[in-house]
Amino acid sequence: QVRLLQSGAEVKEPGSSVRVSCKVSGDNLSIFAISWVRRAPGQGLEWMGGVNPVFGTATYAQRFQGRVAITADKSTTTAYMELNSLTSEDTAVYYCAREIAIETSMVPFGHWGQGTLVTVSS
Amino acid sequence: DIVMTQTPLSLSVTPGQPASISCKSSERLLQSDGKTHLHWYLEKAGQPPQLLIYEVSNRFPGVPDRFSGSGSGTDFTLKISRVEADDAGIYYCMQSLKIPPAFGQGTKVEIK
Repeated sequence: QVRLLQSGAEVKEPGSSVRVSCKVSGDNLSIFAISWVRRAPGQGLEWMGGVNPVFGTATYAQRFQGRVAITADKSTTTAYMELNSLTSEDTAVYYCAREIAIETSMVPFGHWGQGTLVTVSS
Repeated sequence: DIVMTQTPLSLSVTPGQPASISCKSSERLLQSDGKTHLHWYLEKAGQPPQLLIYEVSNRFPGVPDRFSGSGSGTDFTLKISRVEADDAGIYYCMQSLKIPPAFGQGTKVEIK
């Protein structure tokens, strides 16, 4: 059974950085793309970016470009999301989500981590 | 970027009654392989989102058959034939045809 286990809640000061991890177990991290999606208070789900572990390449939403880095370590089957220059608007629950193979389809976000609350406050 | 628009944004439903959510995309979501990259997710309170329906009308394993999806082109619908208390939460449609993947604003479903 595939499980995505995220690191714990963080409290950060404005201007700092946060790194959230997502440990994948029960499956082969190397094959499936992993994305990071966040949910700010009162807002909807927002895709931040994703990484293809096969090629090690990451793609980012334009609004986070230059401020976020998403990586995957195949040796530890762990993905990471680092967000820099934090402001109060980055206070949100951050989820990792992995695609899933169903018959001939690769469906996005079939597996989700439990979420990591990041609070940005001085 | 593709924009997804859901209506209504909130819904209050009596258990046993049907519910319907509409989702419109700013571009057609049909890929050349014949698949339409429109999916539905449910976010329950305190839980991560869960996949309900993929590629318009395919229920994810374990999803009750009271959930159904339909549509084509740019117009899609999620229907719940008989709402149960456990169906409360925020429902999102999402397109994955093009990067960036885009969610609708979400429809909050409240059970009376």
